[in-house]
Amino acid sequence: DTGVSQDPRHKITKRGQNVTFRCDPISEHNRLYWYRQTLGQGPEFLTYFQNEAQLEKSRLLSDRFSAERPKGSFSTLEIQRTEQGDSAMYLCASSLTAESTDTQYFGPGTRLTVL
Amino acid sequence: AQKVTQAQTEISVVEKEDVTLDCVYETRDTTYYLFWYKQPPSGELVFLIRRNSFDEQNEISGRYSWNFQKSTSSFNFTITASQVVDSAVYFCALKTGTALIFGKGTTLSVSS
Repeated sequence: DTGVSQDPRHKITKRGQNVTFRCDPISEHNRLYWYRQTLGQGPEFLTYFQNEAQLEKSRLLSDRFSAERPKGSFSTLEIQRTEQGDSAMYLCASSLTAESTDTQYFGPGTRLTVL
Repeated sequence: AQKVTQAQTEISVVEKEDVTLDCVYETRDTTYYLFWYKQPPSGELVFLIRRNSFDEQNEISGRYSWNFQKSTSSFNFTITASQVVDSAVYFCALKTGTALIFGKGTTLSVSS
């Protein structure tokens, strides 16, 4: 069984540039989540999809951030006009709502560094 | 408000020692789930265990055991006979709705 995969694993960009990350969930998982983790902190929720519908967004998700999940499969997270404060690890997770407890399984993350 | 507190920032032990990682949570919901995840240096969060609020039975899995006490809002994690491979950051998390609410993590260092 293939786990959650994320691409790229590392991204270095200059302030003001746009970046896009991709997440491929565990196949047949209908829920997909994005979290952000800064140094020394636990992950913080950004947004989640059930199939292709984006059902919840955190207040952390500023208008420079946009996420999509076309056709309910992979998801992309785009950050426009990056700022140094966006430097963090971006984690993707997926789960299956058929499971009563809806356990979230995480990918390896994309580490973003904004110079 | 929902909150998870992991008061221990860093713990260092020598191999074969037992170690307990503390987790205290806050929620007013009566139905909730508690989780532990391990984050090795590679960065991926690895799921370890899930507990629901109606099941206070303690659980043992190999060298790992978990103690859930609703009376003290705690969900502590014990590693028996620690090994170097246990070195990682361990996160406790609370789920009442969709999102997981994580503590700040405890960094465990096991030396040989």
